[in-house]
Amino acid sequence: GAVVSQHPSWVICKSGTSVKIECRSLDFQATTMFWYRQFPKQSLMLMATSNEGSKATYEQGVEKDKFLINHASLTLSTLTVTSAHPEDSSFYICSADVPGVNTEAFFGQGTRLTVV
Amino acid sequence: DAKTTQPTSMDCAEGRAANLPCNHSTISGNEYVYWYRQIHSQGPQYIIHGLKNNETNEMASLIITEDRKSSTLILPHATLRDTAVYYCIVRVVAAGNKLTFGGGTRVLVKP
Repeated sequence: GAVVSQHPSWVICKSGTSVKIECRSLDFQATTMFWYRQFPKQSLMLMATSNEGSKATYEQGVEKDKFLINHASLTLSTLTVTSAHPEDSSFYICSADVPGVNTEAFFGQGTRLTVV
Repeated sequence: DAKTTQPTSMDCAEGRAANLPCNHSTISGNEYVYWYRQIHSQGPQYIIHGLKNNETNEMASLIITEDRKSSTLILPHATLRDTAVYYCIVRVVAAGNKLTFGGGTRVLVKP
């Protein structure tokens, strides 16, 4: 199947700093990617839809100025957590659809962010 | 997107079939039923999807009722590596193909 790769797999940062997470589609072009956040023992919550060449669409309650999304190419979307705080510590996951109708979405392996 | 209802958890015996139910009584005609699973601390893994016909692949079988209000994922011979959270999702074609995750079923395969 198609491969979606996230980097880094885990990161620890100090409170107040910014962290960038990359999501790459390795063997296909993705015009749309999705970013999710998952707290311990909870389900995945969609944060935003990342569209290549245009602004991301954020879900209700997600601060667009705090979670900056850039989708500058058909194979790369980035999520930057700005001025991170301990409550931003979470598991961040991206996904992308292989172009087509009702194909399955492929997910990255996730990034564990710990803010200390 | 239509909501789905799944049991919170279930145990099954290694080597036996695991039948995971899902209710989606408000599903609309153009929504597909998708199943994903998430093994601890990993990204979700696609299992199978279908519209109204039963589907089978190398991982599992998907049985959808005739009225499409419920479905069952069948893992034919559960192994310890099948221990995971299984998510049943119905997907709107027009909404940018986004997936909305519910609570899922935490499946524990026991020796």
